[in-house]
Amino acid sequence: GQLVQSGAEVKKPGASVKISCKTSSYTFTGYYMHWLRQAPGQGLEWMGRINPHNGDINSALKFQGHITMTRDTSISTAYLEISGLTSDDTALYFCARGAIFGLEWVPNVFDLWGQGTMVTVSS
Amino acid sequence: DIQMTQSPSSLSASVGERVSITCRASQGISNSLGWYQQKPGKAPKLLVYAASRLESGVPSRFSGSGSGTDYSLTISSLQPEDFATYYCQQYYTTPLTFGGGTKVEIK
Repeated sequence: GQLVQSGAEVKKPGASVKISCKTSSYTFTGYYMHWLRQAPGQGLEWMGRINPHNGDINSALKFQGHITMTRDTSISTAYLEISGLTSDDTALYFCARGAIFGLEWVPNVFDLWGQGTMVTVSS
Repeated sequence: DIQMTQSPSSLSASVGERVSITCRASQGISNSLGWYQQKPGKAPKLLVYAASRLESGVPSRFSGSGSGTDYSLTISSLQPEDFATYYCQQYYTTPLTFGGGTKVEIK
């Protein structure tokens, strides 16, 4: 499998950004898709996940109302939209697939990652 | 939220040394723990899940152990390609949370 994310973005405070994560070589609807971020020099932070099969969403409380996760099953692509950007949103954003190990479903472990999309928020 | 406390935050070691990193959860997580390796500018790579199960393709010098709230990742003989930052992650409950990372540097 492969996850390919859209390119780097530079946005002004208050703007929105939409990042894509195009998947290939696996059944898109069979695996959760997660979104995480990493601020410069910092650790990893989980934002939320979408079940591409039915669109069901689970997100961290701090991001609710600030992010929108969607998917387009016809092109096997997941999206993350972040609204009301502030400088605190400057980070490298990753999509990551929830794992299935043989017959064992472990959807909240990340076994395949996109390359990351850098979002810079600056006036 | 479950807090994950990782230690040390950094360490220096030589090639061939045995290295251990620990991770403590703020509550029991029933072995729902993964370990990731991240190199600068790259996405993390899964090494271990379920506290002790090695992901396919990961060298056997990596091992995970622990239970309850305390877990560890051990590299039995450090190789040049192992110099990186390592993160633990609990998946017992959402929000999924990570430790602060351990940077393994060359001595």
